[in-house]
Amino acid sequence: GENVEQHPSTLSVQEGDSAVIKCTYSDSASNYFPWYKQELGKRPQLIIDIRSNVGEKKDQRIAVTLNKTAKHFSLHITETQPEDSAVYFCAARIGGGYQKVTFGTGTKLQVIP
Amino acid sequence: NAGVTQTPKFQVLKTGQSMTLQCAQDMNHEYMSWYRQDPGMGLRLIHYSVGAGITDQGEVPNGYNVSRSTTEDFPLRLLSAAPSQTSVYFCASSYVDTQYFGPGTRLTVL
Repeated sequence: GENVEQHPSTLSVQEGDSAVIKCTYSDSASNYFPWYKQELGKRPQLIIDIRSNVGEKKDQRIAVTLNKTAKHFSLHITETQPEDSAVYFCAARIGGGYQKVTFGTGTKLQVIP
Repeated sequence: NAGVTQTPKFQVLKTGQSMTLQCAQDMNHEYMSWYRQDPGMGLRLIHYSVGAGITDQGEVPNGYNVSRSTTEDFPLRLLSAAPSQTSVYFCASSYVDTQYFGPGTRLTVL
């Protein structure tokens, strides 16, 4: 099955700096890569996703890049703000329709004011 | 739309007890899933369903049962609770790609 590794497990940045979270996946058939943000005590919520036919996607201060050859993808948050503090999860899915989504173990991001 | 709802929010069980975690969605989504979240382990898939009457096992199915008699509801049953099942449980539904999660149930098994 698919295996997703996520690094780092914790990340502290100064407000205004950039944050980068990296994930690798094992199955080259994976074609959909969502990122979720989970605030303390809350449910995970999708913040951005990318499909395997796209190399990069941006949404305001958030961007995701995908390197299919190396089988890794990254989340980039620019101009970080205290409200970006949360746990971020990457995930990978093989195929279309409903296929099992495999999650990474999460990165706890702390933005220091 | 209420989205995905889960009940109860908190539950304490004794070892060996059984209970059902409820999950409902009002978005007419075909796909529904149950995950458990443990510290440092991300979200792990327990069971999932691709439509009414169709369920299958995920990564960690032992000790849990599910059924899907309607599109809206997807209950998760703990047959005989064990301390290892202490966790936060999330239900999710999706149409194609985006999964929408419920608020979660925090379960403690003593």
